[in-house]
Amino acid sequence: GAGVSQSPRYKVAKRGQDVALRCDPISGHVSLFWYQQALGQGPEFLTYFQNEAQLDKSGLPSDRFFAERPEGSVSTLKIQRTQQEDSAVYLCASSGSGSSQNEQFFGPGTRLTVL
Amino acid sequence: GESVGLHLPTLSVQEGDNSIINCAYSNSASDYFIWYKQESGKGPQFIIDIRSNMDKRQGQRVTVLLNKTVKHLSLQIAATQPGDSAVYFCAAGRGSARQLTFGSGTQLTVLP
Repeated sequence: GAGVSQSPRYKVAKRGQDVALRCDPISGHVSLFWYQQALGQGPEFLTYFQNEAQLDKSGLPSDRFFAERPEGSVSTLKIQRTQQEDSAVYLCASSGSGSSQNEQFFGPGTRLTVL
Repeated sequence: GESVGLHLPTLSVQEGDNSIINCAYSNSASDYFIWYKQESGKGPQFIIDIRSNMDKRQGQRVTVLLNKTVKHLSLQIAATQPGDSAVYFCAAGRGSARQLTFGSGTQLTVLP
């Protein structure tokens, strides 16, 4: 596709529900990142994949957060037993290789609201 | 760890004037820096980046300056236009650690 796409764009969940957020990176991009952006703040790193390998998950705030990218393209961020503090925009970014590996292209994000 | 901060949370400029947005970082090991623009309801959009072996880089109407001595970088926007109104983030990265550390953002408002 032309850019990074994310779905759903908006998600409302009741506290305790599980949610799954999807990211479709730019075709051919080997690296994929998930960030969490609280209202009025900058994005905060959650996890990073290179192809299907999850190389860094140091930013995941708890074991309720889980991400996967089984075939090295589409990725899913899953949050189990959602809490109100999980309310945020979840951004996905992808980047290529070589000289362009540092430029991360972001999707529009999924706004999660936990009631 | 790394922390990245912005000097002003809001900045208002007259249309046609130049804008300067500043950012400080804490980790001297950071070796590349990126400025992003984020409009309401959208993801961050890449503006310009700079590596630590440079002190200046220019793009179309934008210039990034890096001062490694004081761990400071700035984004200059020439002839600011209404379409430049957005939140601007600086982000820092280092070496093989591919994650970016973002500042909290500066809201730029362009006045008519």
